[in-house]
Amino acid sequence: SAVISQKPSRDICQRGTSLTIQCQVDSQVTMMFWYRQQPGQSLTLIATANQGSEATYESGFVIDKFPISRPNLTFSTLTVSNMSPEDSSIYLCSVVLSISWQADTQYFGPGTRLTVL
Amino acid sequence: GENVEQHPSTLSVQEGDSAVIKCTYSDSASNYFPWYKQELGKRPQLIIDIRSNVGEKKDQRIAVTLNKTAKHFSLHITETQPEDSAVYFCAAHNAGNMLTFGGGTRLMVKP
Repeated sequence: SAVISQKPSRDICQRGTSLTIQCQVDSQVTMMFWYRQQPGQSLTLIATANQGSEATYESGFVIDKFPISRPNLTFSTLTVSNMSPEDSSIYLCSVVLSISWQADTQYFGPGTRLTVL
Repeated sequence: GENVEQHPSTLSVQEGDSAVIKCTYSDSASNYFPWYKQELGKRPQLIIDIRSNVGEKKDQRIAVTLNKTAKHFSLHITETQPEDSAVYFCAAHNAGNMLTFGGGTRLMVKP
């Protein structure tokens, strides 16, 4: 498996501001995803981060609110824009390893716990 | 799109007993079914998975079964231990490496 890190691990933000979360992997990966996990809930896919092109967003998530970048095969960022208390969640990146024969398996980063006041 | 339902939402067992968590999925094209364990404040960790060409898979105390006809799959934990206490998520994967997660099961193993 790969070592996946996220920054920051947690943050407390004021409403109306934006926060950028970074996801770094120690090896090249084929696919990267961003998920949201609201308190006590399951994981919901926000978008697939595509290298060199616009992310693919799931229903209910839009680029203006959650802009995503993926400049290379090991790094991606998710920005939560114009935050409101409803954005308080854990945000997790996940990856599919290009070297794994089980190309479907997703591994998760440690998550970023965001609290919006 | 895919819809995954998971039951029960909470499960309490005595140490040493077995625990069973069940999931159903809607998309017959789904072909990969992982199970994740999430301890409090930690990331989801893959514990076992099964692919659509297999009916059962076992790894020590953990086993997963898949019934493609009925579109359901189950996680079985035998000889439960307190460290098995966590939230467990099932998921189904179809096209494009997209995973749809079940709602989660909070398992509590009482010593």
